Amino acid sequence: AQKITQTQPGMFVQEKEAVTLDCTYDTSDQSYGLFWYKQPSSGEMIFLIYQGSYDEQNATEGRYSLNFQKARKSANLVISASQLGDSAMYFCAMRETSGTYKYIFGTGTRLKVLA
Amino acid sequence: NAGVTQTPKFQVLKTGQSMTLQCAQDMNHEYMSWYRQDPGMGLRLIHYSVGAGITDQGEVPNGYNVSRSTTEDFPLRLLSAAPSQTSVYFCASSPPIGRHQAFFGQGTRLTVV
Repeated sequence: AQKITQTQPGMFVQEKEAVTLDCTYDTSDQSYGLFWYKQPSSGEMIFLIYQGSYDEQNATEGRYSLNFQKARKSANLVISASQLGDSAMYFCAMRETSGTYKYIFGTGTRLKVLA
Repeated sequence: NAGVTQTPKFQVLKTGQSMTLQCAQDMNHEYMSWYRQDPGMGLRLIHYSVGAGITDQGEVPNGYNVSRSTTEDFPLRLLSAAPSQTSVYFCASSPPIGRHQAFFGQGTRLTVV
């Protein structure tokens, strides 16, 4: 069965510093997708970044990058130059890329950016 | 662009009552799903559908029913509400292509008293 593990319930980071949010996953599939979503206090789910299991390069989207280590089954999110608006809950998710295409999510990490 | 629309946004139920959470999407997505979000437990998959007439159970299906008669709509039914079903519910949709993100509704905050 597929599983996503986020071991950091909460984290603090100083404004303008970089922060890494950890995500490990477990799957027997060879083809899958990994996603990160942000949930601010307003509650909506915002897509941040995607990494395919066959992508050779780590994904980047602006200040977000995904540190993908396939052999270790980890997909950590790196936020560079943190801003106060980055304070939110962050979820790692995995999706099957065939069959049911269902998404499963981790338990989330609450990030607080300090001024 | 409506995207994914959930109704209602807030609901209070008494134990034993039934109700339906509505979810509609206008993006012609084949994949739709329902999640519940509880503190410390992330988003847990309740039910999902890969197309009209096809549904399947997720991690926590007990106490919930779904049906998918059209591509656009995917309602979630609580058969007999229990306090343990107090949660925030999210509906999501996506094309059946692995690299596509899920598009989420705004959520329904349900309280069962």
